[in-house]
Amino acid sequence: QVQLKESGPGLVQPSQTLSLTCTVSGFSLTSYNVHWVRQPPGKGLEWMGRMRYNGDTSYNSALKSRLSISRDTSKNQVFLKMNSLQTDDTGTYYCTRGFYNNFDYWGQGVMVTVSS
Amino acid sequence: DIQMTQSPPVLSASVGDRVTLSCKASQNINKNLDWYQQKHGEAPKLLIYYTNNLQTGIPSRFSGSGSGTDYTLTISSLQPEDVATYYCYQYNSGHTFGAGTKLELK
Repeated sequence: QVQLKESGPGLVQPSQTLSLTCTVSGFSLTSYNVHWVRQPPGKGLEWMGRMRYNGDTSYNSALKSRLSISRDTSKNQVFLKMNSLQTDDTGTYYCTRGFYNNFDYWGQGVMVTVSS
Repeated sequence: DIQMTQSPPVLSASVGDRVTLSCKASQNINKNLDWYQQKHGEAPKLLIYYTNNLQTGIPSRFSGSGSGTDYTLTISSLQPEDVATYYCYQYNSGHTFGAGTKLELK
């Protein structure tokens, strides 16, 4: 069955770099897109960026200067790296499978706190 | 960037009510809109795709409609398990979520 699971540090210091991994199973990264979506505590959803099935990437213009998404198809993993973290980057980070333009499967999310 | 405005921010309704949630885009999004349901502490779930297509496994009391800039999610008979926050999402140009409508039981 299709599964996605996010992993990474729960706590990151301000100005540091966040590194998250999305490990997928039940589908191929060369057939489906994987997106990253985040949610500050008590707030709404924000689309961050996408790894397309063909390896192309696209990013939220507000985050583009700080964000990088990559993948390792042999390990079924998609990576998110975002630098210069600030306290308003605190939140839950989700990876989700893109089926055409829809998000049909989601990971459970990983909570990231930016604090010294 | 396209802005998505959802209304109302909070909606209180009773079990069995017909409930309508609205989403307005800042420009024509050509029906390229999904609705997601997020229950407390859970990941979002796809309910409706491309304006009016029910995702597999979603109860038929959920339906979507709209065109141009104005879109609606309707729950024909509210059930207790429908308590959640609902987000619209456009993918016509870029990717934008609305701020959500929190649906509560009266």
